[in-house]
Amino acid sequence: QLQLVQSGGEVKKPGASVKVSCQASGDTFVKYVIIWIRQAPGQGLEWMGWVSAANGNPTYARKFLGRVTMTTDTSTNTAYMELRRLTSDDTAVYYCAGGINPRKLQFWGQGSQVTVSS
Amino acid sequence: DIQMTQSPSSLSAFVGDRVTITCRASEDVISDLAWFQQKPGKAPKPLIFDASTLRDGVSSKFSGTGSGTNFTLSISSLQPEDFGTYYCQQYYRYPLTFGGGTKVAIK
Repeated sequence: QLQLVQSGGEVKKPGASVKVSCQASGDTFVKYVIIWIRQAPGQGLEWMGWVSAANGNPTYARKFLGRVTMTTDTSTNTAYMELRRLTSDDTAVYYCAGGINPRKLQFWGQGSQVTVSS
Repeated sequence: DIQMTQSPSSLSAFVGDRVTITCRASEDVISDLAWFQQKPGKAPKPLIFDASTLRDGVSSKFSGTGSGTNFTLSISSLQPEDFGTYYCQQYYRYPLTFGGGTKVAIK
């Protein structure tokens, strides 16, 4: 079973960038893909994209193209999601999820709160 | 994008009741559907994949049915620990999309 531990909450100003980490343990990291999902306050879940731990290849949701970068570091079994040009609409809890299949969100991190405020 | 519509948006039921939540897809997603349970301040927990396959370790009181565009999640005998918000999610086509959620409360 894959366990995922995410970085802590962050407060950012509009226009800044944020980088959230997701460290995996409990199984072979490179077997998995890491999927990123966010949840705005009181809202539903929004898929942002995924990255292969084996080769680092990302697939992004159209909405975030040009503004998001998803990477992995196999030396530390860690995935990263960087979101740039933040606005207040990006205030949300950001989750990483792991799966063998990038479409099935099997294992979840605890979430990282990102608050964008001037 | 495939739109996922859940109903009801909220419900309240007694302990021991059978509860059913409906999820409708805007187009055919065959059986590429998952259900999640989320409690306040926690990450969603996967319950069911492939519309009806219970994830390992999930109580058999949960069951999922359906294919195509219409799906249901049932809880056979509601318990206090079953409160929370339930989401369906299609993974037939990118972008992956979620229903708006059904908030389940205990009367």
